[in-house]
Amino acid sequence: AQSVTQLDSQVPVFEEAPVELRCNYSSSVSVYLFWYVQYPNQGLQLLLKYLSGSTLVKGINGFEAEFNKSQTSFHLRKPSVHISDTAEYFCAVSPLTGTASKLTFGTGTRLQVTL
Amino acid sequence: NAGVMQNPRHLVRRRGQEARLRCSPMKGHSHVYWYRQLPEEGLKFMVYLQKENIIDESGMPKERFSAEFPKEGPSILRIQQVVRGDSAAYFCASSRPTENTEAFFGQGTRLTVV
Repeated sequence: AQSVTQLDSQVPVFEEAPVELRCNYSSSVSVYLFWYVQYPNQGLQLLLKYLSGSTLVKGINGFEAEFNKSQTSFHLRKPSVHISDTAEYFCAVSPLTGTASKLTFGTGTRLQVTL
Repeated sequence: NAGVMQNPRHLVRRRGQEARLRCSPMKGHSHVYWYRQLPEEGLKFMVYLQKENIIDESGMPKERFSAEFPKEGPSILRIQQVVRGDSAAYFCASSRPTENTEAFFGQGTRLTVV
């Protein structure tokens, strides 16, 4: 079984400031890692995913994440946020075996960008 | 290429009624997943289906909930005799059979039980 912990339920940040959203996971098997974004009253959109290879993954909208196996973390970063980045961000994992789309999600981090 | 289509977007049911949620996957996708998002919580996996087969229903409540994905037509999530605790957003996702490391999500159905 897998579990995902997003310690920060809300992260307020000013526009153009950098941001890091934290994600830690626990799993008895190797996993794929994902970050999804959810805008108000919308479905989830994939930001980026780590399957294998380089531990630094670049995604859409200027986001990137780094997989740290020893710390079982997959933190999401953006060097300069925009008002339009205000949304809920979910970290998720899925096992390498079986279907990779059976996702276990964290409880989400609400990013609030203000002027 | 239309995305994952869910309908209705909003559904209001009285306690004891049945709720039917529909999901049409993206073109070329034959794998469908249903997730439930309770208020202030993350999404929880409910069921994974392929055409005419339930592959994994480990997240489905034991009673009142059922899902199907017929040969023709959309996938249906059915909730019988709804209770207030069923109020949530229900999301459907689909993926390709040969590349299932990316699930595409629909906009969800928000069920309110009154």
